[in-house]
Amino acid sequence: DQQVKQNSPSLRVQEGRISILNCDYTNSMFDYFLWYKKYPAEGPTFLISISSIKDKNEDGRFTVFLNKSAKHLSLHIVPSQPGDSAVYFCAASGLTGGGNKLTFGTGTQLKVEL
Amino acid sequence: DAGVIQSPRHEVTEMGQEVTLRCKPISGHNSLFWYRQTMMRGLELLIYFNNNVPIDDSGMPEDRFSAKMPNASFSTLKIQPSEPRDSAVYFCASSWSGPNYGYTFGSGTRLTVV
Repeated sequence: DQQVKQNSPSLRVQEGRISILNCDYTNSMFDYFLWYKKYPAEGPTFLISISSIKDKNEDGRFTVFLNKSAKHLSLHIVPSQPGDSAVYFCAASGLTGGGNKLTFGTGTQLKVEL
Repeated sequence: DAGVIQSPRHEVTEMGQEVTLRCKPISGHNSLFWYRQTMMRGLELLIYFNNNVPIDDSGMPEDRFSAKMPNASFSTLKIQPSEPRDSAVYFCASSWSGPNYGYTFGSGTRLTVV
């Protein structure tokens, strides 16, 4: 049972345009959400997070939006750059704070083209 | 800080053989996680430890899998006997048990069982 779903396995975007990666979750107890980026042959690295008390969090070119009623979050990258090409994982947790397990989605492969 | 260190980076073994994956977490982190990455299921949590104690092993596929954390600086994931369906990339991650997620992943071990 996949509690965190990323329904788009891949996404192609032109350099300079907006990339929108989507994530849905089913567990209403999740209250903290994160995005990780993964390059080939490397481990995932933390990108940005959002608590359920917020609906938006921004960090430079990256913005995460949370719609709790729809159990949906999205990651916007503006403007997209070739170096953003990677696999992006959405993750969720039932408790704020570190040390608790994260449930990950299946990932979306983003390719930013010149 | 050298980050989370996993060994080996690659492992090719024959079906039925025992496989041991190793992980050294970041010094001071008190939570350790073992994840497996597959195309179908993305990153799935196998087991995690807090202060060297296993907290949740519900993700361990079956009795062939076992994990230990004898001290704060070392953990192993063992598969005995290994099967071709165990072929995947196995990641170790560590974090603080605090208000900020310090989930740091290692580079992973690519396991191939032939």
